[in-house]
Amino acid sequence: EVQVLESGGGLVQPGGSLRLSCAASGFSFNNYIMSWVRQAPGKGLEWVSGISGSGETIAYADSVKGRFTISRDNSKNTVYLQLSSLRSDDTALYYCARRSDESSRCFDNWGQGTLVTVSS
Amino acid sequence: EIVLTQSPGTLSLSPGERATLSCRASQSTTSSYFAWYQQKPGQAPRLLIYGTSNRATGIPDRFSGSGSGTDFTLTISSLEPEDFAVYYCQQYGGSPLYTFGQGTKLEIK
Repeated sequence: EVQVLESGGGLVQPGGSLRLSCAASGFSFNNYIMSWVRQAPGKGLEWVSGISGSGETIAYADSVKGRFTISRDNSKNTVYLQLSSLRSDDTALYYCARRSDESSRCFDNWGQGTLVTVSS
Repeated sequence: EIVLTQSPGTLSLSPGERATLSCRASQSTTSSYFAWYQQKPGQAPRLLIYGTSNRATGIPDRFSGSGSGTDFTLTISSLEPEDFAVYYCQQYGGSPLYTFGQGTKLEIK
């Protein structure tokens, strides 16, 4: 069974940093692109970042480029999202999601999310 | 950026009725890379439809998707109580790589 479990969220002050983790199991982790998608309270979904199976190809939404860094450790089946220079509009539930194969390019498995609150 | 606009914002129907949800893209998008998700309160999104018309694993056949180019539709043939939720469309391509619609809330009338 495919499982994705996020951790690392919490309350952080504006300008602060936080590292989110996403532990995956039940599939060949290094064969899949992994992404982070966030959802602000009461709002819709926003793709944040994605990383290829090898870690060589990375992409970010413009809203987080230069502030967030995605990485992965395939030996630990874990993907990370380093959040820096946090702003109040980064407050959201951050989901880790497995990207499906190249034929469909959607998100076929999601974790339950980890909440990041940016506030003084 | 490809913007996805969903309509209506809220749809009020009764169990047993047919639901039709629309998603319009600001420019033509690849049908293979178009998907629909369902999200219930307090839960993560769940993939319903991928490649415009393919049901994901375990999705009942009352859910169907169609469309091409800029206009896509999710149809629920006969609503069950568990279908009342928020539905999002999503596409891949352009910048940002993935965009979502703003969601349609399907509520019980």
